Amino acid sequence: GQNIDQPTEMTATEGAIVQINCTYQTSGFNGLFWYQQHAGEAPTFLSYNVLDGLEEKGRFSSFLSRSKGYSYLLLKELQMKDSASYLCAVTSTGNTDKLIFGTGTRLQVFP
Amino acid sequence: DTGVSQNPRHKITKRGQNVTFRCDPISEHNRLYWYRQTLGQGPEFLTYFQNEAQLEKSRLLSDRFSAERPKGSFSTLEIQRTEQGDSAMYLCASSSGPGTSVPTYEQYFGPGTRLTVT
Repeated sequence: GQNIDQPTEMTATEGAIVQINCTYQTSGFNGLFWYQQHAGEAPTFLSYNVLDGLEEKGRFSSFLSRSKGYSYLLLKELQMKDSASYLCAVTSTGNTDKLIFGTGTRLQVFP
Repeated sequence: DTGVSQNPRHKITKRGQNVTFRCDPISEHNRLYWYRQTLGQGPEFLTYFQNEAQLEKSRLLSDRFSAERPKGSFSTLEIQRTEQGDSAMYLCASSSGPGTSVPTYEQYFGPGTRLTVT
């Protein structure tokens, strides 16, 4: 089976750094995605990791350790607009590349 | 191309009625996915098309649900005899897999159709 765990809620202060963790168990692994979702809106793509290591993209970075079944999303220089849910999702080996999502981490950024 | 579009954005229906949603993917994308999301949860996979072929259906998709992608472009999702438990956001996503000029596998989501069954 497949299982993805991430914290339900986190809070942080504007300008700070926050790390959102995700652990996963999957029968086959073909990549890990992070999506951002503002309330009432569609998820938007943030990052994709298929190899171990850190991928940096502006204020956002994502890390993957396949041996540990672990990823994190690092958000730097937090802004109020970063208040959103952050969804960790994995794809497994096979033909469909369907995304298996965690429940999401709701991040609230305070001034 | 402005991205994935879905219609309608909102649908309120009475229990027992049929509803149909439409998704127009990004034009060069050959893969299309339907997901369902309820409040406080991540999206759950429902079904997947590669071009016009429906290659996978989730066990979540009961016999009351049917999806089509007749010409490998837009897709429809129909729910027959709606139940209150069907109330959710229905999300469509598309990606460019093998057979396209630039396969990327990132899925791009539409704005969703929010269904409320009363």
